[in-house]
Amino acid sequence: QVQLVQSGAEVKKPGSSVKVSCKTSGDTFSSDAITWVRQAPGQGLEWMGGIIPIFNTTNYAQKFQGRVTFTADESTTTAYLELSSLRSEDTAVYYCARETKWNYYYFYMDVWGEGTTVTVAS
Amino acid sequence: DIQMTQSPSSLSASVGDRVTITCRASQSISSYLNWYQQKPGKAPKLLIYAASSLQSGVPSRFSGSGSGTDFTLTISSLQPEDFATYYCQQSYSIRTFGQGTRLEIK
Repeated sequence: QVQLVQSGAEVKKPGSSVKVSCKTSGDTFSSDAITWVRQAPGQGLEWMGGIIPIFNTTNYAQKFQGRVTFTADESTTTAYLELSSLRSEDTAVYYCARETKWNYYYFYMDVWGEGTTVTVAS
Repeated sequence: DIQMTQSPSSLSASVGDRVTITCRASQSISSYLNWYQQKPGKAPKLLIYAASSLQSGVPSRFSGSGSGTDFTLTISSLQPEDFATYYCQQSYSIRTFGQGTRLEIK
């Protein structure tokens, strides 16, 4: 069973950037996507987008376009989220999740990382 | 983007109760609907995918139904470990989640 292990908590200043990692337990990436979902304190889940590492294709939620970048390193089977121009509203837990598919068209997030807390404060 | 609206936002119930949570999409999403359970301080857990398919390892007291714009998650007999927050999520287009339904002990 695939596992996703994320990097540790971060504290950042407003205007700076943060890079969160998500390492998969396998030796190679599959054709599944790694998606990123965040959750502000006491709030619901917010989809940020995803990357299919073996094709290096990305998809970003419009809200984060221009401020977020997803990358992946196939040699270490690690995916990354980088969020720039941080503001206090970016304080949240950031989750990576594997988005896989059933029957070609039905996509769902079946494996999740433990989450990385990012705090933006001056 | 497709808006997902869950009802109720919160719910109090007792162990053994049958509980239903509703999720409505702002446009038809066929059966591209998933349900997740989240406990405090933990990552979400997939319960149901493709509207009605039970994820491996999830107890059979959980079931999902619906298609088009209206969907339900039913827990047939609540167990103590089921008190959590539940989210629906559509995968028809750019992914969106419902706002969540918090299930509390009565």
